Amino acid sequence: SAVISQKPSRDICQRGTSLTIQCQVDSQVTMMFWYRQQPGQSLTLIATANQGSEATYESGFVIDKFPISRPNLTFSTLTVSNMSPEDSSIYLCSVVAGGYEQYFGPGTRLTVT
Amino acid sequence: QKEVEQDPGPLSVPEGAIVSLNCTYSNSAFQYFMWYRQYSRKGPELLMYTYSSGNKEDGRFTAQVDKSSKYISLFIRDSQPSDSATYLCAMTPAAGGFKTIFGAGTRLFVKA
Repeated sequence: SAVISQKPSRDICQRGTSLTIQCQVDSQVTMMFWYRQQPGQSLTLIATANQGSEATYESGFVIDKFPISRPNLTFSTLTVSNMSPEDSSIYLCSVVAGGYEQYFGPGTRLTVT
Repeated sequence: QKEVEQDPGPLSVPEGAIVSLNCTYSNSAFQYFMWYRQYSRKGPELLMYTYSSGNKEDGRFTAQVDKSSKYISLFIRDSQPSDSATYLCAMTPAAGGFKTIFGAGTRLFVKA
């Protein structure tokens, strides 16, 4: 299994500012995933982060808006840049352990005013 | 058409009832099927995992996959108030978290 923590748990930010979300895993993992969960909608994958290489972004998400760092095998950050109210969402960090079991962090609840 | 369709509910049942949660999908390449439970203000937690068609039972929970109909179900027997949560189905063509597609989730309320 994997235990994932995220910081901050929630934040209220002004439009135009940036927020960096931290994700810490209790074991070394190759790949980390960042998701967005908007009310009433399914989890949407933003990007996949490998240690030591550039993150791979899904369609509709770009590095300038959501830069990701992956400095080691237990840690990653996601920055939401130049925020607008449309970025208000829950952001979730996830890892895969044991081959197929996907574990999620508690999420960061972001409100942009 | 979404790749995965899931009725958002809410679904309200009395304690002890049998709950049936369902998803349909359109991509025949999906091979791995999962159900996650998400409590309010928490991240999703994996409940059940099934490969290909068939049934899988774990305590009060039973997962069914019918690939011919592109239909998956989660049954909860003897439902408890602690089962009140949002249940998300998820599926992927390959293990490892790649290209996992999630349903929007069904909110379940079990009344004492």
